[in-house]
Amino acid sequence: DVKVTQSSRYLVKRTGEKVFLECVQDMDHENMFWYRQDPGLGLRLIYFSYDVKMKEKGDIPEGYSVSREKKERFSLILESASTNQTSMYLCASSRTGGTANEKLFFGSGTQLSVL
Amino acid sequence: GQQVMQIPQYQHVQEGEDFTTYCNSSTTLSNIQWYKQRPGGHPVFLIQLVKSGEVKKQKRLTFQFGEAKKNSSLHITATQTTDVGTYFCAASSNTGNQFYFGTGTSLTVIP
Repeated sequence: DVKVTQSSRYLVKRTGEKVFLECVQDMDHENMFWYRQDPGLGLRLIYFSYDVKMKEKGDIPEGYSVSREKKERFSLILESASTNQTSMYLCASSRTGGTANEKLFFGSGTQLSVL
Repeated sequence: GQQVMQIPQYQHVQEGEDFTTYCNSSTTLSNIQWYKQRPGGHPVFLIQLVKSGEVKKQKRLTFQFGEAKKNSSLHITATQTTDVGTYFCAASSNTGNQFYFGTGTSLTVIP
C-alpha cells in the first residue's frame, strides 16, 4: 500500500522562524500536494506539484513556498512563520501527473503551532 | 478557487439512524471523490464518482452524483459507532487539475 510519510507529527516554532515540513511518498507518484486543515474550513490547497521541479499555487499560497527536487519528496517551507499559520498540515500524493482523477493518499499530518 | 459547499457541518445521530451529507457546486464537475477522516487521523479515500446520475454502494454507504454533475451525496444506513468521523467531498472541475474539498461533515454516533 502507498505510504506517505510526514517528518513530524507535532512541531512548535516561534514567530519569525523558518520552518520546513517534509513529505516523502514511496509509490513513484507524480502528483504531490500540501493542504492545511482548520476547523470549519476543511482542507485548503496551498501548493501542488505534478512533476519534479514543477509547482503550482493552490488557493492559499501566501507565506509559503515549496520544493520538489526529487520525485518522492515534496517540502513545504514557511519563510517566516506567523501565528496565523498554526494549523494541521497534510501532505498527499496521487498517481497521475497533471490531472485530478486519481485518489489522494494522505500522510498522517503535522500539527504546527507557531508561538 | 472553485467553491464546494458541504452541509451539514455537524450531525449527531443515535446509533441505528440514517445519515446523509450533501455537496453542492455552482459549476459542472468532472468528478467527485469522498473521503473519511477518523478523529485524530488523516483523510482516507472512499470512492470516486464520474458519470452523471451515478450511484455506487459500499455496504451501508450509498454515494450519488447528480444528473447535472453539480451535486453529490453520501448516505449511511443504520449508522454504527465505527462510522464516527468527518466526511469530505472533493470535487474537480472540467478544466481543473486539482481537487477542491468541501468543509466536511462531522458525524457523531450516540450509542
